[in-house]
Amino acid sequence: SQTIHQWPATLVQPVGSPLSLECTVEGTSNPNLYWYRQAAGRGLQLLFYSVGIGQISSEVPQNLSASRPQDRQFILSSKKLLLSDSGFYLCAWTRLAGRSYEQYFGPGTRLTVT
Amino acid sequence: QKEVEQNSGPLSVPEGAIASLNCTYSDRVSQSFFWYRQYSGKSPELIMSIYSNGDKEDGRFTAQLNKASQYVSLLIRDSQPSDSATYLCAAVVNNDMRFGAGTRLTVKP
Repeated sequence: SQTIHQWPATLVQPVGSPLSLECTVEGTSNPNLYWYRQAAGRGLQLLFYSVGIGQISSEVPQNLSASRPQDRQFILSSKKLLLSDSGFYLCAWTRLAGRSYEQYFGPGTRLTVT
Repeated sequence: QKEVEQNSGPLSVPEGAIASLNCTYSDRVSQSFFWYRQYSGKSPELIMSIYSNGDKEDGRFTAQLNKASQYVSLLIRDSQPSDSATYLCAAVVNNDMRFGAGTRLTVKP
């Protein structure tokens, strides 16, 4: 069965500090991978998605970046965090189910920028 | 118009009642729809998917899709306090998943 991992689970970082969040998927190959952010009391905002190694698409211009160095690894980074970067960061992957794709989420990383 | 829209609620029902959650969608959306449950502080969990017009039942959950009216709903029968969560409606748009803002459901004992 497939499993998705994220770490760290929680993170408190000062404004201006760098960020690196990691996501790995087990039990599947060449998955489509996604990074979402969920601000407090708000919906899911798609940040980046990747269909393969080194292939990154950005949905929203911001001070965040993503990389996919390995097939089942997806990294979200920032050189300098802003207060507005606080939120719940979710990694997700999709699998083909019948005639559509189903999306599954990792446990998330709760980031607080102080 | 947003691609997927939900009434943010909150929705409160007594234990044992039927909870009805609704979602409307725009013409850009494909015909694949999903319901996720998100407990406070946790990540969303896929609970139902529906692709064809009509009803799809899974235990106490029933998803309903009405393509003519462009809405999809989730019914929870015999609601339990453990069903208290935010429910997210989602649909595929150009091979990407789009989510509604979520409806917060509280089931009171």
